[in-house]
Amino acid sequence: RKEVEQDPGPFNVPEGATVAFNCTYSNSASQSFFWYRQDCRKEPKLLMSVYSSGNEDGRFTAQLNRASQYISLLIRDSKLSDSATYLCVVRKDSSASKIIFGSGTRLSIRP
Amino acid sequence: NAGVTQTPKFRVLKTGQSMTLLCAQDMNHEYMYWYRQDPGMGLRLIHYSVGEGTTAKGEVPDGYNVSRLKKQNFLLGLESAAPSQTSVYFCASSIRDAGSQPQHFGDGTRLSIL
Repeated sequence: RKEVEQDPGPFNVPEGATVAFNCTYSNSASQSFFWYRQDCRKEPKLLMSVYSSGNEDGRFTAQLNRASQYISLLIRDSKLSDSATYLCVVRKDSSASKIIFGSGTRLSIRP
Repeated sequence: NAGVTQTPKFRVLKTGQSMTLLCAQDMNHEYMYWYRQDPGMGLRLIHYSVGEGTTAKGEVPDGYNVSRLKKQNFLLGLESAAPSQTSVYFCASSIRDAGSQPQHFGDGTRLSIL
């Protein structure tokens, strides 16, 4: 089993729709969680950190479920510009080397 | 503001050749990282550095060496390139430990080994 698993997609949704995807992690002691966005042939960029209490940034909402060991990303009122691959990132412990990237979920927004 | 700059952007090598990838950051970050990204896989950490003069192995260090002689630069070397090292390489930096601070990435180096 991979340490961080994501549905590769693609998720193909119409503009304006709400879309959500999850990321599961295997290490229950994992400490920090992030969502990064990666456009085609570009570098990853931090989208948002995921806090225990959940957090919201405009149309984006991230949640952490420690009991079930997953994090989620919800995108409301999706825009064409949201088309990208979304990477889940989990920090296993305090070591700088224990940051694990998921392989990403591809999202495509159609007009 | 340049952020993290990688050179070169593209390179084609023959098996057995050597080369060095350069990463430079102008944000005075302590931590720097080298990742590789292959289709269908997440970014995998090759080596990292927690400060000038320090380096440490990541998840997939074999076949690579690194040096951090200056705080702003992190070099990744391939001594004898192999086709399995064909990949996209990303450098990243963070103020401190990336577990609590976001990583800033360079725009990647696409490397093909023939």
